[in-house]
Amino acid sequence: EADIYQTPRYLVIGTGKKITLECSQTMGHDKMYWYQQDPGMELHLIHYSYGVNSTEKGDLSSESTVSRIRTEHFPLTLESARPSHTSQYLCASSKRANNNEQFFGPGTRLTVL
Amino acid sequence: GQQVMQIPQYQHVQEGEDFTTYCNSSTTLSNIQWYKQRPGGHPVFLIQLVKSGEVKKQKRLTFQFGEAKKNSSLHITATQTTDVGTYFCAGSRGSNYQLIWGAGTKLIIKP
Repeated sequence: EADIYQTPRYLVIGTGKKITLECSQTMGHDKMYWYQQDPGMELHLIHYSYGVNSTEKGDLSSESTVSRIRTEHFPLTLESARPSHTSQYLCASSKRANNNEQFFGPGTRLTVL
Repeated sequence: GQQVMQIPQYQHVQEGEDFTTYCNSSTTLSNIQWYKQRPGGHPVFLIQLVKSGEVKKQKRLTFQFGEAKKNSSLHITATQTTDVGTYFCAGSRGSNYQLIWGAGTKLIIKP
């Protein structure tokens, strides 16, 4: 089983709140990713990182931001949550080389009222 | 932009019947990966294909990568209830490029 953790697992908040979704991995992986996925639908890459102090935006336009100050930690922040942000957020990591397999965390299911 | 099309979106089968999902890319891929996501779960890596025409088997699952490295398929023989979930393909143009995910095929076992 992969050692990648996400907290909280479930979050219900009101519109306008600032939230941070946590993601940590203990595998020493350089690459980390955030995906947004509506139930039963495709994955959309919203942010990724190649290593410490590296962050890039993915294909899906997002109002969130990320940081990568430590290898093992890749938090995602929403400055002002809206109902359109209601979704599941999946964090993943992989080794740097050769598009190795991605290991996914259990996800955070976010509901914005 | 580059796309990976995956069909069908859903497949309903009787337990014991076979299941197949197909992925097609608009450009040549360096490799393709397959993942399985159980209902309520997260994607779990199944396999990676790298070589043109490659075929790999995992018990009842057979994975193929086309000769032109633009298409791939996953075939499950004699489906079981444990096979239920959504199967995603994800292709890449190389190590400096991100994975491009297919939309997934949901395998549903008819009651």
